[in-house]
Amino acid sequence: RKEVEQDPGPFNVPEGATVAFNCTYSNSASQSFFWYRQDCRKEPKLLMSVYSSGNEDGRFTAQLNRASQYISLLIRDSKLSDSATYLCVVNLNTGGFKTIFGAGTRLFVKA
Amino acid sequence: SQTIHQWPATLVQPVGSPLSLECTVEGTSNPNLYWYRQAAGRGLQLLFYSVGIGQISSEVPQNLSASRPQDRQFILSSKKLLLSDSGFYLCAWTALGVRGETFFGQGTRLTVV
Repeated sequence: RKEVEQDPGPFNVPEGATVAFNCTYSNSASQSFFWYRQDCRKEPKLLMSVYSSGNEDGRFTAQLNRASQYISLLIRDSKLSDSATYLCVVNLNTGGFKTIFGAGTRLFVKA
Repeated sequence: SQTIHQWPATLVQPVGSPLSLECTVEGTSNPNLYWYRQAAGRGLQLLFYSVGIGQISSEVPQNLSASRPQDRQFILSSKKLLLSDSGFYLCAWTALGVRGETFFGQGTRLTVV
């Protein structure tokens, strides 16, 4: 089983739609969580951290469920510019710091 | 503020030639440094990470090596490139502290021909 798993998609949605991505992680020692965005042929960039209480940044909402070991990202009112790959990221500290990236979920927003 | 520089942006190299990719970080000290590779349409594969000068850990056996001659410098090398070494190479550093966000360089797109 992969340490961080995501649905690869692609998700094809119209502009204005709401779309949600989920990600599961296997190690209960996971300490911190993030969503990254990667545009085609570019480096991944931090989109937002994910906090236990849930957090929102404009049209983006991230949630963490430690009991079920999954995190989610909700995008409201999708824009064409939201088209990208979204990576789920988990940090572990089990005697050494380790960052694990999910393989990503591809999103296409169409006019 | 912290910045990470990686060069070159693109590289075309013949099979059997050597490789040297360099990455430097500014604005922080003693960062954790990483080299990742990403094949087209695939996820990130961790190649090497370093927690300090001269300390290199390899995640997968391969044709590549890494070195950290200075605190904020990380180098990826190969003596003889293979076709399978083609890909998008990303240098990254992790912020110290509880959360540990990762920040990437702009990447090097390597094509071995």
